[in-house]
Amino acid sequence: DTGVSQDPRHKITKRGQNVTFRCDPISEHNRLYWYRQTLGQGPEFLTYFQNEAQLEKSRLLSDRFSAERPKGSFSTLEIQRTEQGDSAMYLCASNPLGGSQETQYFGPGTRLLVL
Amino acid sequence: AQSVAQPEDQVNVAEGNPLTVKCTYSVSGNPYLFWYVQYPNRGLQFLLKYITGDNLVKGSYGFEAEFNKSQTSFHLKKPSALVSDSALYFCAVREDDMRFGAGTRLTVKP
Repeated sequence: DTGVSQDPRHKITKRGQNVTFRCDPISEHNRLYWYRQTLGQGPEFLTYFQNEAQLEKSRLLSDRFSAERPKGSFSTLEIQRTEQGDSAMYLCASNPLGGSQETQYFGPGTRLLVL
Repeated sequence: AQSVAQPEDQVNVAEGNPLTVKCTYSVSGNPYLFWYVQYPNRGLQFLLKYITGDNLVKGSYGFEAEFNKSQTSFHLKKPSALVSDSALYFCAVREDDMRFGAGTRLTVKP
């Protein structure tokens, strides 16, 4: 078990471009979460999946953001028409199916810079 | 909705001294409380959690945390700080989704 992995680790893009990030959770973890972290702040919840079903989306997730987990394994987060305010660290986490007492394990994050 | 507060942006301690990083929480039900550490350009690493039972929780790298229900606090502690403990520490509470504090930067000086 290699832990949660994310790709790419860094992404620089120009305003208006689309970007896509990938997250591979710990194998057999049913739940997968996406967070956004800006400088000087803690991670903020964006959305989560239980298997392939997207069960909750934060108000932070604007129409330009979309996430998928088509086969219940890896997940992708796409940002369309990026804006400078999208610059942040995007973190992925996973945990086994269970209640709120389950520990979330985080990946290394994808740092996005929108120029 | 649940929330956490980390009242100190920065904590400075000398190596070998005890350290405390403070956290207070607000939940409507039973609190599930977590501490994570983040090193530069890295994701969050789990340190410890309180679910139920003993109020003193022991975790990774010699850290421990004390759950205090009357004061709604969950302070992170270590008896003897190391320079390598210097990092960003996040307290989190989970009722439905996970809510993180803004973080406390710990600096341990030799």
